[in-house]
Amino acid sequence: DAKTTQPTSMDCAEGRAANLPCNHSTISGNEYVYWYRQIHSQGPQYIIHGLKNNETNEMASLIITEDRKSSTLILPHATLRDTAVYYCIVDPPSGYALNFGKGTSLLVTP
Amino acid sequence: DVKVTQSSRYLVKRTGEKVFLECVQDMDHENMFWYRQDPGLGLRLIYFSYDVKMKEKGDIPEGYSVSREKKERFSLILESASTNQTSMYLCASSLVQGDTKQYFGPGTRLTVT
Repeated sequence: DAKTTQPTSMDCAEGRAANLPCNHSTISGNEYVYWYRQIHSQGPQYIIHGLKNNETNEMASLIITEDRKSSTLILPHATLRDTAVYYCIVDPPSGYALNFGKGTSLLVTP
Repeated sequence: DVKVTQSSRYLVKRTGEKVFLECVQDMDHENMFWYRQDPGLGLRLIYFSYDVKMKEKGDIPEGYSVSREKKERFSLILESASTNQTSMYLCASSLVQGDTKQYFGPGTRLTVT
């Protein structure tokens, strides 16, 4: 499985953009990058995924470097409700189990 | 929106009891999963099912069994609960095989005393 590396924690001021990095240097050519988040005491929630091109949806933007060895999840205007643990995941070869790892704990402050 | 529901948010059971955790999804998904989540260990896959009556072991199946008699329902069974099974249990579903986009339920916080 391609491993991912994320910072343990990050802070962001409310209203500012939160940029969460992820390294996945061993990613294969056909593996997608997925982002999930988990708000305290809730189940994980899918955010966005991508292969090569940058992606945007109503929740976030995903920027993938040209060599695909890293990506950045961008929350353009962070709110207090975005405080959560954010997980960067690469497609598992089995197609089933998600390896969530430790993720990045994002704290959005007033 | 896909909805995954779990039978209880909080559950307290005694050592040795048989425990049933139920999960239901309403979007006709083929795959269903049971994870447990513990501090410092992240999410670990217990069992998954890719079709009715089919099941596959995940990373930590010992002490657990599952049942999938209907497509929308996936049950996790602790045959004889032990204190080391105190955990947060999360159910998830995905549309088809190989679909990494999984939808999670709210979780069941199980305490075994």
